[in-house]
Amino acid sequence: KAGVTQTPRYLIKTRGQQVTLSCSPISGHRSVSWYQQTPGQGLQFLFEYFSETQRNKGNFPGRFSGRQFSNSRSEMNVSTLELGDSALYLCASSLGDESSGAETQYFGPGTRLLVL
Amino acid sequence: QKEVEQDPGPLSVPEGAIVSLNCTYSNSAFQYFMWYRQYSRKGPELLMYTYSSGNKEDGRFTAQVDKSSKYISLFIRDSQPSDSATYLCAFPGSNDYKLSFGAGTTVTVRA
Repeated sequence: KAGVTQTPRYLIKTRGQQVTLSCSPISGHRSVSWYQQTPGQGLQFLFEYFSETQRNKGNFPGRFSGRQFSNSRSEMNVSTLELGDSALYLCASSLGDESSGAETQYFGPGTRLLVL
Repeated sequence: QKEVEQDPGPLSVPEGAIVSLNCTYSNSAFQYFMWYRQYSRKGPELLMYTYSSGNKEDGRFTAQVDKSSKYISLFIRDSQPSDSATYLCAFPGSNDYKLSFGAGTTVTVRA
């Protein structure tokens, strides 16, 4: 079974621009979560989608948004990029049946975003 | 106070040594406890998963949970250079579909 794929793997943008990252979950998984990983803050939860609905959102500004399509693929968008948005953005997929989040989440390799 | 505390290290040990990693947490609602391993330039992968106090063994890895102290540990016996990675403790929330992670401890096993 193919794993979680994320595109692009690397991205360089300048302040003020916007960016869209894509995630394809494991076949049959309906939940997609997004995390931001930085050396200072570690892994922080952005949001989680299940069947095209956002079920939870972390403490990030409204510049960070996401969506999920009917085939479970997901995109996240960051508008008006700031230097502090430079990070590794990780997507994780799971079946999505457990509200506790205790299901195994399978992570993709991430998209490394550099904002100049 | 952070919800999860984990010493980021780094930790450097000789091959064959026992590696000891730990996390403390403050949220009493956490009922499941996970350890993820992340190699450089890769996403995290689930290493161990437990939901009760006590020990759980899987090969060279032992996960230990003390719910009364809100303290979890991961031990790696007979460490190998291939164990060099960042180890993250993770805690699924209650009805919120998310994982709360520790900062991660970077481990290097020297050959």
